[in-house]
Amino acid sequence: DAKTTQPPSMDCAEGRAANLPCNHSTISGNEYVYWYRQIHSQGPQYIIHGLKNNETNEMASLIITEDRKSSTLILPHATLRDTAVYYCIVRGKAAGNKLTFGGGTRVLVKP
Amino acid sequence: GAVVSQHPSWVICKSGTSVKIECRSLDFQATTMFWYRQFPKQSLMLMATSNEGSKATYEQGVEKDKFLINHASLTLSTLTVTSAHPEDSSFYICSALPTGQGWTEAFFGQGTRLTVV
Repeated sequence: DAKTTQPPSMDCAEGRAANLPCNHSTISGNEYVYWYRQIHSQGPQYIIHGLKNNETNEMASLIITEDRKSSTLILPHATLRDTAVYYCIVRGKAAGNKLTFGGGTRVLVKP
Repeated sequence: GAVVSQHPSWVICKSGTSVKIECRSLDFQATTMFWYRQFPKQSLMLMATSNEGSKATYEQGVEKDKFLINHASLTLSTLTVTSAHPEDSSFYICSALPTGQGWTEAFFGQGTRLTVV
């Protein structure tokens, strides 16, 4: 699976949009981009995933660049409960569907 | 969304004893489940892939005789930490991949915090 690079931490203001970047320059054509988050002392929670088109659901939006080498997770209106570690993961079938977690971005939403 | 339940949520055991952790998919079947371990302030590390009706596949460096995995049904996988030692103290997390849906997300349990004293 392609490796991902994320900033180790970022702060954002409550009520504002949070934009979380992820680089995956070695992604291959059949690999999807997944985003999960982990709130302290809990299991990871699925947020969203995509292949090449932008995706949106009730939690977030995923913007994937045209060359697919990077993506951005957007939390449209961050709340204090969005404070968590956010993981960007690239996954392909060759890996047997397993998810390999990198360091993630520790997001702190401040009032 | 689909629910994965782990039991127990936390456990304290004496050094040298064995501890069993259960992972259940409550409203879906899962041919494949995964076990992770997470140390404080670190990311999740995949330990093994559990396949219903067959032997688990362990990641490099994970001792299969120490971390016994049994996936006896489509809704239950168990991880047994044998002869536990303080260095096995960690947060253990399972995830389950719904069967037959092709590309889909895996769902995670709430984790089990193991403390070996």
